[in-house]
Amino acid sequence: DTGVSQDPRHKITKRGQNVTFRCDPISEHNRLYWYRQTLGQGPEFLTYFQNEAQLEKSRLLSDRFSAERPKGSFSTLEIQRTEQGDSAMYLCASSWPEGSTSYEQYFGPGTRLTVT
Amino acid sequence: QKEVEQNSGPLSVPEGAIASLNCTYSDRGSQSFFWYRQYSGKSPELIMFIYSNGDKEDGRFTAQLNKASQYVSLLIRDSQPSDSATYLCAVRSTGFQKLVFGTGTRLLVSP
Repeated sequence: DTGVSQDPRHKITKRGQNVTFRCDPISEHNRLYWYRQTLGQGPEFLTYFQNEAQLEKSRLLSDRFSAERPKGSFSTLEIQRTEQGDSAMYLCASSWPEGSTSYEQYFGPGTRLTVT
Repeated sequence: QKEVEQNSGPLSVPEGAIASLNCTYSDRGSQSFFWYRQYSGKSPELIMFIYSNGDKEDGRFTAQLNKASQYVSLLIRDSQPSDSATYLCAVRSTGFQKLVFGTGTRLLVSP
Protein backbone atom coordinates (compact mmCIF):
# COMPACT_ATOMS: atom_id res chain seq x y z
CA ASP A 1 0.00 0.00 0.00
CA THR A 2 1.61 3.27 -1.09
CA GLY A 3 -0.94 5.66 0.43
CA VAL A 4 -0.68 7.82 3.52
CA SER A 5 -0.68 5.74 6.69
CA GLN A 6 -1.51 6.79 10.24
CA ASP A 7 -1.07 5.08 13.56
CA PRO A 8 -2.94 4.37 15.73
CA ARG A 9 -6.32 4.30 14.05
CA HIS A 10 -8.14 4.72 17.33
CA LYS A 11 -7.03 6.11 20.67
CA ILE A 12 -9.02 6.37 23.88
CA THR A 13 -7.36 8.32 26.64
CA LYS A 14 -8.27 9.92 29.92
CA ARG A 15 -8.36 13.67 30.32
CA GLY A 16 -4.99 15.03 31.26
CA GLN A 17 -2.96 12.32 29.56
CA ASN A 18 -0.56 12.93 26.67
CA VAL A 19 -1.05 11.25 23.31
CA THR A 20 1.12 10.99 20.21
CA PHE A 21 0.05 10.14 16.68
CA ARG A 22 2.21 9.15 13.75
CA CYS A 23 1.81 9.82 10.03
CA ASP A 24 3.78 8.30 7.15
CA PRO A 25 3.20 10.22 3.91
CA ILE A 26 3.26 8.91 0.35
CA SER A 27 6.96 8.30 -0.33
CA GLU A 28 7.30 10.76 -3.24
CA HIS A 29 5.59 13.57 -1.31
CA ASN A 30 7.66 15.98 0.73
CA ARG A 31 4.75 18.12 1.92
CA LEU A 32 2.79 16.93 4.92
CA TYR A 33 -0.29 18.38 6.61
CA TRP A 34 -2.26 17.78 9.79
CA TYR A 35 -5.96 18.52 10.04
CA ARG A 36 -8.59 17.95 12.71
CA GLN A 37 -12.18 17.06 12.00
CA THR A 38 -15.11 17.03 14.42
CA LEU A 39 -18.55 15.62 13.74
CA GLY A 40 -20.51 17.55 11.15
CA GLN A 41 -17.60 19.80 10.24
CA GLY A 42 -15.05 19.85 7.47
CA PRO A 43 -11.40 19.23 8.32
CA GLU A 44 -9.65 22.18 9.95
CA PHE A 45 -6.01 22.87 9.16
CA LEU A 46 -3.52 22.49 12.00
CA THR A 47 -0.04 22.62 10.49
CA TYR A 48 2.07 22.08 7.37
CA PHE A 49 5.60 20.77 6.80
CA GLN A 50 7.79 20.98 3.76
CA ASN A 51 10.48 18.40 4.38
CA GLU A 52 11.43 18.93 8.03
CA ALA A 53 10.45 22.60 8.16
CA GLN A 54 7.15 23.57 9.77
CA LEU A 55 6.02 26.41 7.51
CA GLU A 56 2.39 27.03 8.45
CA LYS A 57 0.69 26.73 11.78
CA SER A 58 -2.93 27.42 12.67
CA ARG A 59 -4.08 29.41 15.64
CA LEU A 60 -5.96 26.22 16.53
CA LEU A 61 -2.63 24.67 17.41
CA SER A 62 -2.49 25.68 21.05
CA ASP A 63 0.54 25.33 23.28
CA ARG A 64 -0.60 21.81 24.15
CA PHE A 65 -0.16 20.69 20.55
CA SER A 66 3.20 20.07 18.95
CA ALA A 67 4.11 18.53 15.64
CA GLU A 68 7.46 17.36 14.36
CA ARG A 69 8.95 15.93 11.23
CA PRO A 70 12.59 15.50 12.20
CA LYS A 71 13.95 13.76 9.11
CA GLY A 72 11.47 15.02 6.58
CA SER A 73 9.77 11.64 6.33
CA PHE A 74 7.21 10.63 8.95
CA SER A 75 5.61 13.14 11.28
CA THR A 76 4.26 13.01 14.82
CA LEU A 77 1.53 15.08 16.43
CA GLU A 78 1.53 15.24 20.21
CA ILE A 79 -1.25 16.55 22.40
CA GLN A 80 -0.32 17.23 26.00
CA ARG A 81 -2.79 17.33 28.88
CA THR A 82 -5.69 16.24 26.71
CA GLU A 83 -9.11 17.79 27.19
CA GLN A 84 -12.51 16.46 26.19
CA GLY A 85 -12.66 19.09 23.49
CA ASP A 86 -9.70 17.42 21.80
CA SER A 87 -11.89 14.46 20.86
CA ALA A 88 -11.87 14.43 17.06
CA MET A 89 -10.51 12.69 14.00
CA TYR A 90 -6.92 13.72 13.36
CA LEU A 91 -6.10 13.55 9.68
CA CYS A 92 -2.76 13.60 7.94
CA ALA A 93 -2.34 14.44 4.27
CA SER A 94 0.57 14.71 1.88
CA SER A 95 1.22 16.32 -1.48
CA TRP A 96 3.83 16.70 -4.20
CA PRO A 97 7.03 18.72 -3.75
CA GLU A 98 7.45 22.41 -4.40
CA GLY A 99 7.81 23.14 -8.08
CA SER A 100 5.12 20.70 -8.98
CA THR A 101 2.03 22.10 -10.63
CA SER A 102 -0.06 19.71 -8.59
CA TYR A 103 -1.51 20.86 -5.30
CA GLU A 104 -3.69 17.89 -4.52
CA GLN A 105 -3.59 16.61 -0.96
CA TYR A 106 -4.18 12.94 -0.22
CA PHE A 107 -5.45 11.94 3.18
CA GLY A 108 -4.59 9.02 5.38
CA PRO A 109 -7.24 6.99 7.22
CA GLY A 110 -7.10 9.23 10.28
CA THR A 111 -6.68 8.67 13.99
CA ARG A 112 -9.88 8.91 15.99
CA LEU A 113 -9.19 10.30 19.46
CA THR A 114 -11.67 9.95 22.28
CA VAL A 115 -10.90 11.75 25.54
CA THR A 116 -12.91 10.48 28.50
CA GLN B 1 -19.20 34.99 6.44
CA LYS B 2 -17.64 31.56 6.27
CA GLU B 3 -14.67 31.21 3.95
CA VAL B 4 -16.16 28.21 2.14
CA GLU B 5 -19.89 27.62 2.16
CA GLN B 6 -21.87 24.57 1.21
CA ASN B 7 -25.47 23.59 1.72
CA SER B 8 -25.42 20.86 4.34
CA GLY B 9 -28.27 18.95 2.69
CA PRO B 10 -29.21 16.23 2.54
CA LEU B 11 -29.53 16.37 -1.21
CA SER B 12 -31.72 13.47 -2.28
CA VAL B 13 -31.68 12.20 -5.87
CA PRO B 14 -32.98 8.99 -7.45
CA GLU B 15 -30.57 6.48 -8.92
CA GLY B 16 -29.54 7.45 -12.44
CA ALA B 17 -30.18 11.16 -11.95
CA ILE B 18 -27.67 14.02 -11.99
CA ALA B 19 -26.60 15.30 -8.59
CA SER B 20 -25.48 18.92 -8.46
CA LEU B 21 -23.39 20.07 -5.51
CA ASN B 22 -22.47 23.71 -5.01
CA CYS B 23 -19.84 25.65 -3.13
CA THR B 24 -19.05 29.35 -2.77
CA TYR B 25 -15.89 30.88 -1.36
CA SER B 26 -15.01 34.31 -0.06
CA ASP B 27 -11.29 34.71 -0.83
CA ARG B 28 -10.76 36.11 -4.33
CA GLY B 29 -7.14 35.01 -4.10
CA SER B 30 -8.18 31.37 -4.13
CA GLN B 31 -6.41 29.44 -6.86
CA SER B 32 -7.06 25.74 -6.43
CA PHE B 33 -10.33 23.94 -5.79
CA PHE B 34 -10.97 20.41 -4.69
CA TRP B 35 -13.86 18.03 -4.13
CA TYR B 36 -13.51 15.25 -1.62
CA ARG B 37 -15.93 12.42 -0.92
CA GLN B 38 -16.23 11.22 2.65
CA TYR B 39 -18.12 8.14 3.76
CA SER B 40 -19.31 8.01 7.34
CA GLY B 41 -16.45 7.24 9.70
CA LYS B 42 -13.85 7.35 6.92
CA SER B 43 -11.32 9.94 5.81
CA PRO B 44 -11.82 12.29 2.83
CA GLU B 45 -11.03 10.88 -0.61
CA LEU B 46 -10.03 13.26 -3.39
CA ILE B 47 -12.32 12.87 -6.41
CA MET B 48 -11.84 16.06 -8.44
CA PHE B 49 -9.68 19.14 -8.60
CA ILE B 50 -9.88 22.19 -10.83
CA TYR B 51 -7.52 25.15 -11.19
CA SER B 52 -8.90 27.07 -14.20
CA ASN B 53 -12.25 28.60 -15.03
CA GLY B 54 -14.58 26.31 -16.92
CA ASP B 55 -15.45 22.65 -16.76
CA LYS B 56 -13.33 19.61 -16.04
CA GLU B 57 -14.70 16.14 -16.61
CA ASP B 58 -13.53 12.82 -15.21
CA GLY B 59 -15.80 9.86 -15.79
CA ARG B 60 -19.18 10.56 -14.21
CA PHE B 61 -17.86 13.64 -12.42
CA THR B 62 -17.68 17.20 -13.76
CA ALA B 63 -16.23 20.08 -11.78
CA GLN B 64 -17.19 23.61 -12.78
CA LEU B 65 -15.34 26.75 -11.70
CA ASN B 66 -16.39 30.38 -12.04
CA LYS B 67 -13.83 32.60 -10.33
CA ALA B 68 -15.70 35.81 -11.13
CA SER B 69 -18.71 34.52 -9.19
CA GLN B 70 -16.51 32.72 -6.64
CA TYR B 71 -18.43 29.54 -7.27
CA VAL B 72 -17.42 25.94 -7.80
CA SER B 73 -19.72 23.00 -8.39
CA LEU B 74 -19.61 19.24 -8.80
CA LEU B 75 -21.96 17.33 -11.05
CA ILE B 76 -22.36 13.59 -10.67
CA ARG B 77 -24.04 11.94 -13.63
CA ASP B 78 -25.86 8.61 -13.46
CA SER B 79 -25.84 8.77 -9.66
CA GLN B 80 -25.50 5.44 -7.88
CA PRO B 81 -26.45 4.45 -4.31
CA SER B 82 -22.71 4.02 -3.70
CA ASP B 83 -22.33 7.77 -4.32
CA SER B 84 -24.24 8.41 -1.10
CA ALA B 85 -21.71 10.24 1.07
CA THR B 86 -20.73 13.70 2.25
CA TYR B 87 -19.01 15.83 -0.38
CA LEU B 88 -16.50 18.35 0.88
CA CYS B 89 -15.44 21.42 -1.08
CA ALA B 90 -11.92 22.67 -0.32
CA VAL B 91 -10.08 25.77 -1.45
CA ARG B 92 -6.40 26.74 -1.46
CA SER B 93 -5.39 30.39 -1.56
CA THR B 94 -2.33 31.81 -3.27
CA GLY B 95 0.66 31.88 -0.97
CA PHE B 96 -0.67 29.22 1.35
CA GLN B 97 -0.59 25.45 1.25
CA LYS B 98 -3.45 24.79 3.64
CA LEU B 99 -6.87 23.81 2.40
CA VAL B 100 -9.97 25.50 3.78
CA PHE B 101 -12.96 23.17 3.79
CA GLY B 102 -16.67 23.72 3.77
CA THR B 103 -18.85 21.74 6.13
CA GLY B 104 -19.88 19.37 3.36
CA THR B 105 -23.08 18.42 1.57
CA ARG B 106 -24.65 15.09 2.35
CA LEU B 107 -25.84 13.29 -0.79
CA LEU B 108 -28.40 10.49 -0.66
CA VAL B 109 -29.01 8.45 -3.80
CA SER B 110 -32.08 6.25 -3.56
CA PRO B 111 -32.39 3.03 -5.58
